[in-house]
Amino acid sequence: LAKTTQPISMDSYEGQEVNITCSHNNIATNDYITWYQQFPSQGPRFIIQGYKTKVTNEVASLFIPADRKSSTLSLPRVSLSDTAVYYCLVGDPAGGSYIPTFGRGTSLIVHP
Amino acid sequence: DADVTQTPRNRITKTGKRIMLECSQTKGHDRMYWYRQDPGLGLQLIYYSFDVKDINKGEISDGYSVSRQAQAKFSLSLESAIPNQTALYFCATSETGQGATDTQYFGPGTRLTVL
Repeated sequence: LAKTTQPISMDSYEGQEVNITCSHNNIATNDYITWYQQFPSQGPRFIIQGYKTKVTNEVASLFIPADRKSSTLSLPRVSLSDTAVYYCLVGDPAGGSYIPTFGRGTSLIVHP
Repeated sequence: DADVTQTPRNRITKTGKRIMLECSQTKGHDRMYWYRQDPGLGLQLIYYSFDVKDINKGEISDGYSVSRQAQAKFSLSLESAIPNQTALYFCATSETGQGATDTQYFGPGTRLTVL
């Protein structure tokens, strides 16, 4: 399984753009990159998933460079409600042995 | 996600007691998982099941056992609870197959306290 590394914590202010980078140097050819968001005392929820280049949805954007050894989750104009832990996962979702593995994630605190 | 339910939501028990946490899902997914989360830490995988007849140990299975009674039900048992099993427990499901993104859907969690 590809190992991921992401910052333990980040601080931001309302209205700013937040970029959280995840390193995954040994990502495999068939691996996808998936991000989850977790609010206190709740289970994580899926935010976005991508394979290469850029993916955008109503919540966030995911930027993946050509070498795919890292990825950046971008949250535009954050609000206080974006305060949460964000997890980066790497794996082959169609693979028979894929086991989602969550690390400690990045704790984002948005200040007024 | 209301499609994944966990019971009980909160439980206080004493050291040495046997306790069962239950998870049910209406999403029709094949795969189910049990995770444990300690304060300030990420999720650690306890057990996972890819279908009714396939159950596997995760990172921290010692002291736990599971039962997959049906596709929709996956139970976690602590045979003899100890205080360091005090944690927040999450059940999750996912769908697999060609083209599936294997997105996980989590239950609301069970807060377990072992005195």
